[in-house]
Amino acid sequence: DGGITQSPKYLFRKEGQNVTLSCEQNLNHDAMYWYRQDPGQGLRLIYYSQIVNDFQKGDIAEGYSVSREKKESFPLTVTSAQKNPTAFYLCASSIGSSGGAIQYFGAGTRLSVL
Amino acid sequence: KQEVTQIPAALSVPEGENLVLNCSFTDSAIYNLQWFRQDPGKGLTSLLLIQSSQREQTSGRLNASLDKSSGRSTLYIAASQPGDSATYLCAVRPTGGFKTIFGAGTRLFVKA
Repeated sequence: DGGITQSPKYLFRKEGQNVTLSCEQNLNHDAMYWYRQDPGQGLRLIYYSQIVNDFQKGDIAEGYSVSREKKESFPLTVTSAQKNPTAFYLCASSIGSSGGAIQYFGAGTRLSVL
Repeated sequence: KQEVTQIPAALSVPEGENLVLNCSFTDSAIYNLQWFRQDPGKGLTSLLLIQSSQREQTSGRLNASLDKSSGRSTLYIAASQPGDSATYLCAVRPTGGFKTIFGAGTRLFVKA
């Protein structure tokens, strides 16, 4: 089955700790994205990558970092600099970055602070 | 700056009712508009994608329309069922950019 796998489903972070959220896709998509979702708000773009070894900041990149060493993987690290990390994090991918490309989403990771 | 608004924020209807969800956007320069469904604690599932040159798209009991000039889209759900209960999000892809802009969603509850 093709799709996007996010892990873990739930994650807890202690103060001062960095945590990494995993996102893997087997759809052979070039573009991948990370979004943050807070209650009552639309999704906000954290980072996106159009191709391997390249990524750009989205609207709320501060306190986050990413890497794109493989086409199928786009992990997100929430660093200790992110002071309000509690949220639902969604990873998505699309076949390309053109305007008509549909984004496919993973099931999400819920991050909470201990 | 493109902004997407969805009204109402929440809606409760009895089973079998036909209903309309609304989405408005501030800039008509878009590639496409997409409607998603999100179940509680889950990711987003794409329902319908309307390209800027299209006026509507249909899938089963769902019909989405697009009026770029007025900055509006509607999602029509016919003969609603309890299984339709979810949050419905609208998203636009502006031209000249890579980002997709999402609305906050309409939370739908269909009562049996």
